[in-house]
Amino acid sequence: AQTVTQSQPEMSVQEAETVTLSCTYDTSESDYYLFWYKQPPSRQMILVIRQEAYKQQNATENRFSVNFQKAAKSFSLKISDSQLGDAAMYFCAYRSQGGGADGLTFGKGTHLIIQP
Amino acid sequence: GAVVSQHPSWVICKSGTSVKIECRSLDFQATTMFWYRQFPKQSLMLMATSNEGSKATYEQGVEKDKFLINHASLTLSTLTVTSAHPEDSSFYICSARDGLKALYEQYFGPGTRLTVT
Repeated sequence: AQTVTQSQPEMSVQEAETVTLSCTYDTSESDYYLFWYKQPPSRQMILVIRQEAYKQQNATENRFSVNFQKAAKSFSLKISDSQLGDAAMYFCAYRSQGGGADGLTFGKGTHLIIQP
Repeated sequence: GAVVSQHPSWVICKSGTSVKIECRSLDFQATTMFWYRQFPKQSLMLMATSNEGSKATYEQGVEKDKFLINHASLTLSTLTVTSAHPEDSSFYICSARDGLKALYEQYFGPGTRLTVT
């Protein structure tokens, strides 16, 4: 079974600065997907960024980028120019590349606080 | 596009009663739906996976007789918590996969807060 570990229960950053959230995972599979989801106080899950394991290039979405280290099984999220609206819980998640019936395995989450 | 709704958003029920939660895909056909459970200040845990017209597949440790899942159509899945107890109080989130999209595309509903008194 796959496991996802987020070792930072809480992170705090000044507005406009950069913050990196850590995630490691354990799997015996070679093909899979990794995700970062944001969960604001409304509790609606919002996809931030996705990475396919077969791609060496790190995914980027505007101010959000990842550092994917497949050999180290590490998948960190960097948020640049932090904004107040970025404050939320952030979950790292893993999905097998198998059939369409694979759900997500989530880490425990990191609570991100943005200091004005 | 790709909107998933859940109803109700919040439900309070008495211990021993059953409660049904609906998950609907509003603008796509959901060949697969997933049910997650989230305790306060904790992560999401996959409970079960349902494919339209088939029996749900439950994760280890999830009581299938207690959490009844029905995926009778391509736009609706229901989770029924039978004989609910206070320990079943939690936030239940569904997600749905569009059969026409990539396998990794999964859309989340807004969640349902269940409180059992």
